[in-house]
Amino acid sequence: QQQVKQSPQSLIVQKGGIPIINCAYENTAFDYFPWYQQFPGKGPALLIAIRPDVSEKKEGRFTISFNKSAKQFSLHIMDSQPGDSATYFCAAKTGNNRKLIWGLGTSLAVNP
Amino acid sequence: DAGITQSPRHKVTETGTPVTLRCHQTENHRYMYWYRQDPGHGLRLIHYSYGVKDTDKGEVSDGYSVSRSKTEDFLLTLESATSSQTSVYFCAISESGSSHYEQYFGPGTRLTVT
Repeated sequence: QQQVKQSPQSLIVQKGGIPIINCAYENTAFDYFPWYQQFPGKGPALLIAIRPDVSEKKEGRFTISFNKSAKQFSLHIMDSQPGDSATYFCAAKTGNNRKLIWGLGTSLAVNP
Repeated sequence: DAGITQSPRHKVTETGTPVTLRCHQTENHRYMYWYRQDPGHGLRLIHYSYGVKDTDKGEVSDGYSVSRSKTEDFLLTLESATSSQTSVYFCAISESGSSHYEQYFGPGTRLTVT
Protein backbone atom coordinates (compact mmCIF):
# COMPACT_ATOMS: atom_id res chain seq x y z
CA GLN A 1 0.00 0.00 0.00
CA GLN A 2 1.44 3.30 -1.10
CA GLN A 3 1.46 5.62 1.90
CA VAL A 4 2.33 8.66 -0.21
CA LYS A 5 0.42 8.87 -3.49
CA GLN A 6 2.03 11.05 -6.13
CA SER A 7 0.44 12.33 -9.32
CA PRO A 8 0.70 12.68 -12.22
CA GLN A 9 3.13 9.96 -13.26
CA SER A 10 4.39 12.11 -16.12
CA LEU A 11 3.95 15.71 -17.18
CA ILE A 12 4.87 17.73 -20.24
CA VAL A 13 4.79 21.54 -20.23
CA GLN A 14 6.07 24.32 -22.43
CA LYS A 15 8.88 26.59 -21.32
CA GLY A 16 7.51 29.24 -19.00
CA GLY A 17 4.62 27.06 -17.87
CA ILE A 18 3.88 26.16 -14.25
CA PRO A 19 3.93 22.40 -13.72
CA ILE A 20 2.21 21.21 -10.56
CA ILE A 21 2.93 17.86 -8.94
CA ASN A 22 0.68 16.61 -6.18
CA CYS A 23 1.14 14.22 -3.28
CA ALA A 24 -1.47 12.89 -0.88
CA TYR A 25 -0.99 11.02 2.37
CA GLU A 26 -3.05 9.37 5.08
CA ASN A 27 -0.71 9.20 8.07
CA THR A 28 -1.31 12.34 10.15
CA ALA A 29 1.87 11.60 12.10
CA PHE A 30 4.00 12.65 9.12
CA ASP A 31 5.92 15.76 10.14
CA TYR A 32 8.41 16.41 7.34
CA PHE A 33 7.71 16.55 3.62
CA PRO A 34 10.66 16.87 1.23
CA TRP A 35 10.79 17.00 -2.54
CA TYR A 36 13.72 15.48 -4.37
CA GLN A 37 14.86 16.12 -7.94
CA GLN A 38 16.63 13.48 -10.00
CA PHE A 39 18.34 13.99 -13.33
CA PRO A 40 19.01 11.02 -15.62
CA GLY A 41 22.02 9.00 -14.50
CA LYS A 42 22.25 10.80 -11.15
CA GLY A 43 21.07 10.18 -7.63
CA PRO A 44 18.16 12.20 -6.24
CA ALA A 45 18.94 15.49 -4.51
CA LEU A 46 16.88 17.47 -2.02
CA LEU A 47 15.07 20.34 -3.71
CA ILE A 48 12.90 21.81 -0.96
CA ALA A 49 11.18 20.58 2.20
CA ILE A 50 8.31 21.73 4.42
CA ARG A 51 6.92 20.98 7.86
CA PRO A 52 3.16 20.89 8.56
CA ASP A 53 3.17 24.09 10.62
CA VAL A 54 3.48 26.24 7.46
CA SER A 55 1.22 26.35 4.42
CA GLU A 56 3.75 27.45 1.82
CA LYS A 57 7.48 27.59 1.30
CA LYS A 58 9.37 29.13 -1.61
CA GLU A 59 12.91 28.63 -2.76
CA GLY A 60 13.64 30.44 -5.99
CA ARG A 61 11.21 29.21 -8.65
CA PHE A 62 10.12 26.22 -6.55
CA THR A 63 7.18 26.40 -4.15
CA ILE A 64 5.64 23.80 -1.87
CA SER A 65 2.00 24.30 -0.96
CA PHE A 66 0.80 22.31 2.05
CA ASN A 67 -2.84 21.62 2.94
CA LYS A 68 -2.93 19.90 6.31
CA SER A 69 -6.69 19.39 6.43
CA ALA A 70 -6.72 17.78 2.98
CA LYS A 71 -3.54 15.85 3.73
CA GLN A 72 -2.00 17.00 0.48
CA PHE A 73 1.11 18.86 -0.59
CA SER A 74 2.17 20.10 -3.99
CA LEU A 75 5.25 21.28 -5.83
CA HIS A 76 4.91 24.23 -8.19
CA ILE A 77 7.68 25.25 -10.58
CA MET A 78 7.34 28.86 -11.72
CA ASP A 79 8.63 29.91 -15.14
CA SER A 80 9.73 26.36 -15.91
CA GLN A 81 12.83 25.85 -18.02
CA PRO A 82 14.09 22.91 -20.12
CA GLY A 83 16.78 22.42 -17.45
CA ASP A 84 14.00 21.55 -14.98
CA SER A 85 13.30 18.38 -16.97
CA ALA A 86 13.84 15.64 -14.39
CA THR A 87 12.02 13.16 -12.19
CA TYR A 88 10.55 14.60 -9.02
CA PHE A 89 9.82 12.60 -5.88
CA CYS A 90 7.81 13.61 -2.86
CA ALA A 91 8.40 11.92 0.47
CA ALA A 92 7.37 12.04 4.11
CA LYS A 93 8.57 10.86 7.50
CA THR A 94 7.34 10.60 11.10
CA GLY A 95 9.04 11.78 14.29
CA ASN A 96 12.60 10.64 14.78
CA ASN A 97 12.20 7.88 12.20
CA ARG A 98 15.02 8.29 9.71
CA LYS A 99 13.29 6.36 6.96
CA LEU A 100 11.51 8.34 4.28
CA ILE A 101 8.27 7.14 2.71
CA TRP A 102 8.54 7.90 -1.01
CA GLY A 103 6.05 8.69 -3.73
CA LEU A 104 6.54 6.86 -7.02
CA GLY A 105 7.87 9.89 -8.87
CA THR A 106 6.80 12.24 -11.65
CA SER A 107 8.73 12.52 -14.88
CA LEU A 108 8.65 16.16 -16.00
CA ALA A 109 9.59 17.31 -19.50
CA VAL A 110 9.78 21.03 -20.23
CA ASN A 111 9.75 21.68 -23.95
CA PRO A 112 11.70 24.66 -25.35
CA ASP B 1 27.57 13.88 -4.49
CA ALA B 2 28.28 14.95 -0.89
CA GLY B 3 31.36 12.77 -0.43
CA ILE B 4 29.69 9.50 -1.34
CA THR B 5 31.15 6.97 -3.72
CA GLN B 6 29.68 3.71 -4.89
CA SER B 7 31.58 0.83 -6.43
CA PRO B 8 31.35 -0.66 -8.87
CA ARG B 9 29.35 1.81 -10.97
CA HIS B 10 28.30 -0.88 -13.42
CA LYS B 11 28.23 -4.63 -13.09
CA VAL B 12 26.95 -7.52 -15.14
CA THR B 13 26.75 -10.84 -13.37
CA GLU B 14 25.16 -14.22 -13.85
CA THR B 15 22.23 -15.67 -11.97
CA GLY B 16 23.31 -17.48 -8.84
CA THR B 17 26.57 -15.61 -8.28
CA PRO B 18 27.22 -13.52 -5.16
CA VAL B 19 27.59 -9.78 -5.61
CA THR B 20 28.75 -7.11 -3.18
CA LEU B 21 28.20 -3.41 -3.71
CA ARG B 22 30.14 -0.89 -1.69
CA CYS B 23 29.15 2.53 -0.44
CA HIS B 24 31.87 4.76 0.98
CA GLN B 25 31.32 8.15 2.62
CA THR B 26 33.74 10.82 3.77
CA GLU B 27 31.12 12.87 5.68
CA ASN B 28 31.13 10.88 8.94
CA HIS B 29 27.32 10.74 8.81
CA ARG B 30 25.64 8.29 11.16
CA TYR B 31 22.86 7.01 8.92
CA MET B 32 23.35 5.06 5.69
CA TYR B 33 20.78 3.57 3.35
CA TRP B 34 20.57 1.22 0.41
CA TYR B 35 17.78 1.75 -2.14
CA ARG B 36 16.90 0.15 -5.41
CA GLN B 37 15.21 2.10 -8.19
CA ASP B 38 13.08 0.43 -10.83
CA PRO B 39 10.70 1.94 -13.39
CA GLY B 40 7.22 2.27 -11.94
CA HIS B 41 8.39 1.53 -8.41
CA GLY B 42 10.28 4.66 -7.45
CA LEU B 43 12.83 4.30 -4.68
CA ARG B 44 12.50 1.31 -2.41
CA LEU B 45 14.50 0.93 0.78
CA ILE B 46 16.43 -2.33 1.05
CA HIS B 47 18.32 -1.88 4.33
CA TYR B 48 19.55 0.97 6.41
CA SER B 49 22.11 1.50 9.16
CA TYR B 50 21.91 3.74 12.21
CA GLY B 51 25.47 3.13 13.34
CA VAL B 52 28.40 0.78 13.13
CA LYS B 53 27.09 -2.79 13.28
CA ASP B 54 23.51 -1.45 13.67
CA THR B 55 21.30 -2.23 10.71
CA ASP B 56 17.63 -2.79 10.01
CA LYS B 57 15.51 -4.09 7.17
CA GLY B 58 13.66 -1.96 4.69
CA GLU B 59 10.63 -2.82 2.59
CA VAL B 60 12.42 -5.04 0.05
CA SER B 61 15.13 -6.79 2.08
CA ASP B 62 14.57 -10.38 0.92
CA GLY B 63 17.63 -11.69 -0.92
CA TYR B 64 19.88 -8.92 0.41
CA SER B 65 22.19 -8.60 3.41
CA VAL B 66 24.27 -5.69 4.63
CA SER B 67 27.23 -5.01 6.85
CA ARG B 68 28.72 -1.92 8.39
CA SER B 69 31.96 -2.54 10.25
CA LYS B 70 33.07 1.11 10.19
CA THR B 71 31.32 4.45 9.88
CA GLU B 72 32.41 5.16 6.34
CA ASP B 73 31.50 1.88 4.63
CA PHE B 74 28.15 0.18 4.06
CA LEU B 75 28.17 -3.01 2.04
CA LEU B 76 25.19 -4.56 0.25
CA THR B 77 25.44 -8.25 -0.63
CA LEU B 78 23.28 -10.28 -2.94
CA GLU B 79 24.04 -13.81 -1.76
CA SER B 80 22.78 -15.44 -4.96
CA ALA B 81 21.81 -12.91 -7.59
CA THR B 82 18.53 -13.33 -9.48
CA SER B 83 17.24 -11.57 -12.58
CA SER B 84 14.66 -9.76 -10.44
CA GLN B 85 17.56 -7.99 -8.72
CA THR B 86 18.55 -6.26 -11.95
CA SER B 87 18.20 -2.63 -10.93
CA VAL B 88 19.94 0.63 -10.17
CA TYR B 89 21.15 0.70 -6.58
CA PHE B 90 21.62 3.93 -4.67
CA CYS B 91 23.36 4.50 -1.40
CA ALA B 92 22.36 7.49 0.72
CA ILE B 93 23.59 9.06 3.93
CA SER B 94 22.15 11.45 6.49
CA GLU B 95 23.33 13.20 9.61
CA SER B 96 22.13 12.64 13.14
CA GLY B 97 20.26 15.40 14.94
CA SER B 98 16.61 16.39 15.06
CA SER B 99 16.85 18.95 12.26
CA HIS B 100 18.97 16.99 9.81
CA TYR B 101 16.74 14.72 7.76
CA GLU B 102 18.13 15.36 4.29
CA GLN B 103 19.41 12.26 2.57
CA TYR B 104 22.40 12.68 0.29
CA PHE B 105 22.61 10.17 -2.51
CA GLY B 106 25.54 8.56 -4.23
CA PRO B 107 25.85 8.25 -8.02
CA GLY B 108 24.32 4.77 -8.20
CA THR B 109 25.35 1.31 -9.34
CA ARG B 110 23.68 -0.26 -12.36
CA LEU B 111 23.49 -4.02 -11.81
CA THR B 112 22.42 -6.43 -14.52
CA VAL B 113 21.82 -10.07 -13.65
CA THR B 114 21.72 -12.31 -16.73
